[in-house]
Amino acid sequence: DAGVIQSPRHEVTEMGQEVTLRCKPISGHDYLFWYRQTMMRGLELLIYFNNNVPIDDSGMPEDRFSAKMPNASFSTLKIQPSEPRDSAVYFCASSLEGRAADFGPGTRLLVL
Amino acid sequence: KQEVTQIPAALSVPEGENLVLNCSFTDSAIYNLQWFRQDPGKGLTSLLLIQSSQREQTSGRLNASLDKSSGRSTLYIAASQPGDSATYLCALPSGTYKYIFGTGTRLKVLA
Repeated sequence: DAGVIQSPRHEVTEMGQEVTLRCKPISGHDYLFWYRQTMMRGLELLIYFNNNVPIDDSGMPEDRFSAKMPNASFSTLKIQPSEPRDSAVYFCASSLEGRAADFGPGTRLLVL
Repeated sequence: KQEVTQIPAALSVPEGENLVLNCSFTDSAIYNLQWFRQDPGKGLTSLLLIQSSQREQTSGRLNASLDKSSGRSTLYIAASQPGDSATYLCALPSGTYKYIFGTGTRLKVLA
């Protein structure tokens, strides 16, 4: 198994642009998580899905952030419009209920 | 609301030492606790997962313990090596599967 796959690995964009981050979870996993990591706040859970259904999005910072999981093998996190304070590393993780979570390599986002 | 604290924030030890990293949490009603390793600029690697019914998990030179009643977990690293240098994070659920991470302990093992 290739593990959790995220793309792009790095993204540099200008303020106001739309940013879409992508994640392919491990096949068979039924939970998918989106996290954001910054120096100031550490790792924060943004949203998680169970069987493609969003369960808890209370960590999503603003309406500018949205996430979808159209099927079991794909999820997106979209920021529109992006702002410099959104600069962070965004991680996607997946797990099978009750078992250890596997993290992707992350997407480093820089908003200028 | 679950709060997770890791002490120390940073640790520097000579190669070969045994060391203990601490993780404290406020809500003991947890399903499990997970320890991760993060190398600079990289993602997270799961090291050990302890279910709430367990008290210990071991993997090679790593041993993690869990004491729910006192709200503590420790990660023991035996015979540390320079390759163990990384940030170690503990994570546990707040509610069902909503994992909360500690701030981490940055470990440096000197050759």
